[in-house]
Amino acid sequence: AQKVTQAQTEISVVEKEDVTLDCVYETRDTTYYLFWYKQPPSGELVFLIRRNSFDEQNEISGRYSWNFQKSTSSFNFTITASQVVDSAVYFCALKSQGAQKLVFGQGTRLTINP
Amino acid sequence: EAQVTQNPRYLITVTGKKLTVTCSQNMNHEYMSWYRQDPGLGLRQIYYSMNVEVTDKGDVPEGYKVSRKEKRNFPLILESPSPNQTSLYFCASSLSLTGGLNTDTQYFGPGTRLTVL
Repeated sequence: AQKVTQAQTEISVVEKEDVTLDCVYETRDTTYYLFWYKQPPSGELVFLIRRNSFDEQNEISGRYSWNFQKSTSSFNFTITASQVVDSAVYFCALKSQGAQKLVFGQGTRLTINP
Repeated sequence: EAQVTQNPRYLITVTGKKLTVTCSQNMNHEYMSWYRQDPGLGLRQIYYSMNVEVTDKGDVPEGYKVSRKEKRNFPLILESPSPNQTSLYFCASSLSLTGGLNTDTQYFGPGTRLTVL
């Protein structure tokens, strides 16, 4: 069975602090894909990033960075110099090759205080 | 603009009154899916469709119907809504289900907040 765990239900930091959102996954598949989505207060789900299981290279996009470690089955998301606009619920998700659905974690509610 | 649209965005209805939530995508995606989001339960798949006239159940299909008569549209039908179907619903689409060239990345609509009284 596949499972995604986001142990941090809520995180609250002050603006400009760095914050890391944890994601741990379980799968027996050798080929799979990991995703992060952002759900701002307006409610929509915004795609942020996709990683393949065979590519463990970390990725940076502006203030966002992702650390994929197959050895610990983790795909953590770091926001550097957080801003109020980063306040949202963030979801980590897993999909096996050819699978017909995403398996989502429970989400982490991130609040950035001015 | 490439997007997934849903209508209505908000709906309050009463038990037993049939309703349809529409979903449309303009990206020529083969795969479409419906999820519901509930507090503490995350997002769960209701139904999905691999292509026109091909639909199948997800994890929580009871009380829902879908159809895929055209590639771009994938409506969600609640024949007799009940209060336990009060939820936030998302439609999603992707080019395909295979992982090659990132074609299985799912893009979501804006969500439909449904309240059944």
